[in-house]
Amino acid sequence: QVQLQESGPGLVKPSETLSLTCTVSGGFIISNFWSWIRQPPGKRLEWIGYISYSGSTNYNPSLQSRVTISADTSQNLFSLKLTSMTAADTAVYYCARVVGPYSSFDFWGQGTLVTVSS
Amino acid sequence: DIQMTQSPSSLSASVGDRVTITCRASQDIRNDLGWYQQKPGKAPKRLIYAASSLQSGVPSRFSGSGSGTEFTLTISSLQPEDFATYHCLQHNTYPPTFGGGTKVEIK
Repeated sequence: QVQLQESGPGLVKPSETLSLTCTVSGGFIISNFWSWIRQPPGKRLEWIGYISYSGSTNYNPSLQSRVTISADTSQNLFSLKLTSMTAADTAVYYCARVVGPYSSFDFWGQGTLVTVSS
Repeated sequence: DIQMTQSPSSLSASVGDRVTITCRASQDIRNDLGWYQQKPGKAPKRLIYAASSLQSGVPSRFSGSGSGTEFTLTISSLQPEDFATYHCLQHNTYPPTFGGGTKVEIK
């Protein structure tokens, strides 16, 4: 069974860059696609982007100018960087697996709350 | 982006009730839809994929139907552990988009 675990700071200052990591166990990131999704308090889930097994990426146009997703195959993890954070980026951030680019997310991490505040 | 409109946004029901949740897409998404259950403080859990296929390990009281622009999730006999928020997801067109959620509460 694939398991994902997010890690990173719970508090980020406005204008700073968020860096989160998702460690994968029970599977290898050199297969499938790996996504980041977030859920602001009281709002709907929002897809941020993915990185594929080949290293290609695809981002939500609403965030594209601020997002970078990368992978470290030697450590079987992938990462999210989101620049110029504002209060609107306060959310629970999830990492998730998707089998292919046009599939739904089957395995999710438990999520990590990121608050943007000075 | 494809807009996913979920209804109702909340409902109250009793154990044993039949519950139906609807998701409408702003354009044709074929059967590229999933349903998720989320409990407080937990990650979403996939119940249904490809609009009507039951995820392995999910009880058979959950079922999904629909194609094109209108989809339903049905719980045939609500159980205490089913009180949660349910989300739909379209993955036909990028970016993938979610519905606003339906909170199922105890009557």
